[in-house]
Amino acid sequence: GAGVSQSPSNKVTEKGKDVELRCDPISGHTALYWYRQSLGQGLEFLIYFQGNSAPDKSGLPSDRFSAERTGGSVSTLTIQRTQQEDSAVYLCASSFGQGDTDTQYFGPGTRLTVL
Amino acid sequence: AQSVAQPEDQVNVAEGNPLTVKCTYSVSGNPYLFWYVQYPNRGLQFLLKYITGDNLVKGSYGFEAEFNKSQTSFHLKKPSALVSDSALYFCAVRRWGYSTLTFGKGTMLLVSP
Repeated sequence: GAGVSQSPSNKVTEKGKDVELRCDPISGHTALYWYRQSLGQGLEFLIYFQGNSAPDKSGLPSDRFSAERTGGSVSTLTIQRTQQEDSAVYLCASSFGQGDTDTQYFGPGTRLTVL
Repeated sequence: AQSVAQPEDQVNVAEGNPLTVKCTYSVSGNPYLFWYVQYPNRGLQFLLKYITGDNLVKGSYGFEAEFNKSQTSFHLKKPSALVSDSALYFCAVRRWGYSTLTFGKGTMLLVSP
């Protein structure tokens, strides 16, 4: 079946602009995760959704970052007033949401470049 | 808190030779351990996981990993490396009762012909 999809695959923006990144999870997966991958920091957790609610948003680096999920499916990660340090690959993952033993399946990522 | 260490930034091995990519972890309580592989410009692909039971876990593409509780390790192994195995490998841990994964920094595996 279809895997996790993310759009756009690449996004170049100017410092100070807002960007929206989209994630479509695997059908039937109730849990959704956002991670950020950058050269200096490796893979960092950003936020976790179970259904439409976010029980863990502890990884969001600042209040410029926000995310929502609607209909228990699509999620959007929004970065306001982008900074150069926001440049990274943003990865989305989904899982069945059945607990600790769940396997997370990742999308191809969105490469964000802030000029 | 939980953490993962992958002590080698890069592992070089010749095709046909066995490979090992090392991972050690730190977590309170029972760990759930995962290995993922990332090919260039691609997302992470799941290889295998340890939840409980047999310490030797078999996964995709001929990979296996051995859970060693006393050494807090979960090394990834393959008996015979292929050039196509060249990629970035990530070890990850999840603590009991938590949903998020903590990843290691990654190890680049280079298999030479």
